[in-house]
Amino acid sequence: SAVISQKPSRDICQRGTSLTIQCQVDSQVTMMFWYRQQPGQSLTLIATANQGSEATYESGFVIDKFPISRPNLTFSTLTVSNMSPEDSSIYLCSTSEGENIQYFGAGTRLSVL
Amino acid sequence: GENVEQHPSTLSVQEGDSAVIKCTYSDSASNYFPWYKQELGKRPQLIIDIRSNVGEKKDQRIAVTLNKTAKHFSLHITETQPEDSAVYFCAASPSASKIIFGSGTRLSIRP
Repeated sequence: SAVISQKPSRDICQRGTSLTIQCQVDSQVTMMFWYRQQPGQSLTLIATANQGSEATYESGFVIDKFPISRPNLTFSTLTVSNMSPEDSSIYLCSTSEGENIQYFGAGTRLSVL
Repeated sequence: GENVEQHPSTLSVQEGDSAVIKCTYSDSASNYFPWYKQELGKRPQLIIDIRSNVGEKKDQRIAVTLNKTAKHFSLHITETQPEDSAVYFCAASPSASKIIFGSGTRLSIRP
């Protein structure tokens, strides 16, 4: 499976600021995904990022709050904008290999004060 | 859209016994069903998956069964060991671009 590097691994941020999370894959992949995992909860898909097109956002997530970039086939970023304490979560990126199969990065643990 | 329900939310079994986790899904278009294991502070790890053209799949102590008619699938872990303690997530994929996760089962193995 592809090796997925995600950074930062954790951060503590002030309310009202923004944080950009990076996801790097060691091979070219068509689709990359961003998930949010709130404490003790399951994974919720934020958006799907394809290279060369706008990200596709799931219900409840908007581009102004979670802008995503996908400049090439090995890299993507997710920005959490104008943060509030409710944004405190683990954010995970994943890639799709073969049909449907997804592998995950180690995640970014975000705390907003 | 797809909805995946998972039971139980917590499960405690004696070491050496079997553990069973059950999931149901709503979208008949779903044709891929992965299971992930997440240890505390770690990333979700794919442990086994099954596609809709197969009714059962086994990998050593882990097996998954799928009933497409009833829209449910299950994870079976036999001869449980302490390292099996983790949160397990089932998921269903209604398309190549989406996986919908269940709510998770916290499995504890009692020594």
